[in-house]
Amino acid sequence: ELKVEQNPLFLSMQEGKNYTIYCNYSTTSDRLYWYRQDPGKSLESLFVLLSNGAVKQEGRLMASLDTKARLSTLHITAAVHDLSATYFCAVGGNTGGFKTIFGAGTRPFVKA
Amino acid sequence: DTGVSQDPRHKITKRGQNVTFRCDPISEHNRLYWYRQTLGQGPEFLTYFQNEAQLEKSRLLSDRFSAERPKGSFSTLEIQRTEQGDSAMYLCASSLNSPNYGYTFGSGTRLTVV
Repeated sequence: ELKVEQNPLFLSMQEGKNYTIYCNYSTTSDRLYWYRQDPGKSLESLFVLLSNGAVKQEGRLMASLDTKARLSTLHITAAVHDLSATYFCAVGGNTGGFKTIFGAGTRPFVKA
Repeated sequence: DTGVSQDPRHKITKRGQNVTFRCDPISEHNRLYWYRQTLGQGPEFLTYFQNEAQLEKSRLLSDRFSAERPKGSFSTLEIQRTEQGDSAMYLCASSLNSPNYGYTFGSGTRLTVV
């Protein structure tokens, strides 16, 4: 059974500093997704990573995938208050139906 | 198209009552998913449809839960004989028939069982 673990679960950010969120998963998969959830809102798709070595970047966020290590990272560069949200990784199962299993989320907050 | 719509936004019900939620996906999306999210947790997979066919249902899902997607358009999720442990945010998402895109989530239905 596919299990997805994120760490850290909580991330205390300081504006201007860099941070990395890790997503480990337990079984083979070549589909990994990152989502953002603002307080009281639903989830918004950030990145889709579909192959080993895939790297995607948008603004201060960059995500990468290592399928051999079963690891994805979400890197935050020079954190700003707008990044104060919860980040989830989700990994595609192998049943062929595009079902994805979510991690517990990383909840950051930004200190001014 | 205004995205994925869910109705109602909030539902308070007494324990033992039945509730039904509706989800209208993006019209071009033939895959539809239901997830449940509790406070401080990630979304938990419940079930998904391709068109009108329900292709997978979580083994953790009680028999009190049932979902339908008649005609492959909107979907309903019914919970019978609700329990306090059913209190959660129920999220619907839809996607194209391709792994190249993430899901589009609705705003969710928050269920409170009292």
